[in-house]
Amino acid sequence: DGGITQSPKYLFRKEGQNVTLSCEQNLNHDAMYWYRQDPGQGLRLIYYSQIVNDFQKGDIAEGYSVSREKKESFPLTVTSAQKNPTAFYLCASQRQNPSQTGGPGQPQHFGDGTRLSIL
Amino acid sequence: DAKTTQPTSMDCAEGRAANLPCNHSTISGNEYVYWYRQIHSQGPQYIIHGLKNNETNEMASLIITEDRKSSTLILPHATLRDTAVYYCIVRYGGSQGNLIFGKGTKLSVKP
Repeated sequence: DGGITQSPKYLFRKEGQNVTLSCEQNLNHDAMYWYRQDPGQGLRLIYYSQIVNDFQKGDIAEGYSVSREKKESFPLTVTSAQKNPTAFYLCASQRQNPSQTGGPGQPQHFGDGTRLSIL
Repeated sequence: DAKTTQPTSMDCAEGRAANLPCNHSTISGNEYVYWYRQIHSQGPQYIIHGLKNNETNEMASLIITEDRKSSTLILPHATLRDTAVYYCIVRYGGSQGNLIFGKGTKLSVKP
């Protein structure tokens, strides 16, 4: 079945440690996204990528890094500079639209998330 | 992207239709209405989207008013597994940016 796979489901980070969250999709989507969700709140965008080898910062990129070496993969690294990393992390993908201002609506599809906690 | 207004919570009896309203009075002509839901500790699940016409898929129906200022998501035969937070989002069709999730409606399906 086509979909988005996030791993691991649960992750624990020690102080001063970098951790990497995996996101893989087999939907052949061009665009991929990372969001963070805190308890009782909406989603906030960390990074997104519209094409391989290119990505843009979202609203809360500080303390995070990403890479997009393959279309299928968009890993997120939570660095030690991120002082409050405990959250639910969600990866999403979307089929590319030919036009930024028009064209048919394309939904974003989400993985099941990774819950990151501090030890 | 336009803002949406949804009730904070709703109840529905199992087996009955669940009708979830959404107001989007400032929607512009090329903005679509999307519905997602999020079950606790899972990622948001895409349900349906539409521009002007009513839409139906295997999960739900979307009814958009003629002036496009409001819409209703209909789950025709709600089950206990439909208990979730439902989000109504309006967005340009060609947009590649982030989705803006509001507070949503907490739907509780009761036996």
